[in-house]
Amino acid sequence: GDSVTQMEGPVTLSEEAFLTINCTYTATGYPSLFWYVQYPGEGLQLLLKATKADDKGSNKGFEATYRKETTSFHLEKGSVQVSDSAVYFCALRGSNDYKLSFGAGTTVTVRA
Amino acid sequence: GAVVSQHPSRVICKSGTSVKIECRSLDFQATTMFWYRQFPKKSLMLMATSNEGSKATYEQGVEKDKFLINHASLTLSTLTVTSAHPEDSSFYICSARGRGWQETQYFGPGTRLLVL
Repeated sequence: GDSVTQMEGPVTLSEEAFLTINCTYTATGYPSLFWYVQYPGEGLQLLLKATKADDKGSNKGFEATYRKETTSFHLEKGSVQVSDSAVYFCALRGSNDYKLSFGAGTTVTVRA
Repeated sequence: GAVVSQHPSRVICKSGTSVKIECRSLDFQATTMFWYRQFPKKSLMLMATSNEGSKATYEQGVEKDKFLINHASLTLSTLTVTSAHPEDSSFYICSARGRGWQETQYFGPGTRLLVL
């Protein structure tokens, strides 16, 4: 079945540092890939998505590129802020399904 | 984005009692609602999918009689944990999708359940 594996946290960074969260997936066909973010006390929010190979999703300074050859969708941000402290989830939706499969989440803490 | 609320945000109950969790879409009609369970440091696990006016579809391994789901209107779905046990303690999250939204879902803030 479909599955998502993302790097374990927690990750602690200083402001303006570079952030990478690795995500790899296993799926048949051509899944859509997503990054969700969960800020403290709030529900998950869609951060960005990519629906086909080589697509790059971007939002709020975050980027992720759909790499079919490496089955990866790594999340990156060049200069993080304290407000980026949150839990980040990688997810996929199978090509023949509406369900989302999530990774375990990575907690990111950015210190001033 | 659209707003989904959950009530209560946290609940503590005694073993053997039943607990109802509400999920509401506040500014759109949710034709489909999803219920997830999240264990500490684990991913969200889809428990069931409910479409308005029809029976919920449960994922493999989820007990239908244990986790009762009702989606009686286009803005409300409820999850009732019946005869709760300490192992049911978890974080329950709902999400909702409007008609024709494909993969787009909006998530509620979650409900923390502790069964003593």
